[in-house]
Amino acid sequence: GAGVSQSPSNKVTEKGKDVELRCDPISGHTALYWYRQSLGQGLEFLIYFQGNSAPDKSGLPSDRFSAERTGGSVSTLTIQRTQQEDSAVYLCASSLERHTIHFGPGTRLTVT
Amino acid sequence: DAKTTQPTSMDCAEGRAANLPCNHSTISGNEYVYWYRQIHSQGPQYIIHGLKNNETNEMASLIITEDRKSSTLILPHATLRDTAVYYCIVPVNSGGYQKVTFGIGTKLQVIP
Repeated sequence: GAGVSQSPSNKVTEKGKDVELRCDPISGHTALYWYRQSLGQGLEFLIYFQGNSAPDKSGLPSDRFSAERTGGSVSTLTIQRTQQEDSAVYLCASSLERHTIHFGPGTRLTVT
Repeated sequence: DAKTTQPTSMDCAEGRAANLPCNHSTISGNEYVYWYRQIHSQGPQYIIHGLKNNETNEMASLIITEDRKSSTLILPHATLRDTAVYYCIVPVNSGGYQKVTFGIGTKLQVIP
């Protein structure tokens, strides 16, 4: 079946602009995660949505970052007033309850 | 959180078994050990997971010590395509869902 998809695959934006990154999880998956990975670094947890519960936002680096998940399916990660240090690959993943997580291909964000 | 500790890097000759260790001494009785890997420029890929018994699938074997404080991922015949960063993870059970955070992992280099 279809895996996790993300769009766009690449995004170049000017410093100070806002960006929205989209994630379509695997149908029926109740948990959704956002991570980011800077060049040559490990995965940094950002946020995860768990069913109908309040999301765990403990990994969001600043209040410029926000995410929502509409209808328990599609999620959007928004970065306001982008900075150069926001340049990274943003990875989305989803899973069923207590099952393995499946990653999307990521969105490569470049802030110039 | 059940923290994991892995060596930063390892080398393995092509065709030989790659044995990747992981310590998780604070693991709880109902927490699983998961292994993922990330090949350059791709999203992480699930490999295997286990609770107490050894596990084997088409990709790898997982050996968990009797006290569950450590485990070893075994790639029986490493190929150049197995060069990747390998992550050992013990997800935190949170309200029936798993919060998955990634450490630095082990960078495995398979040498021709």
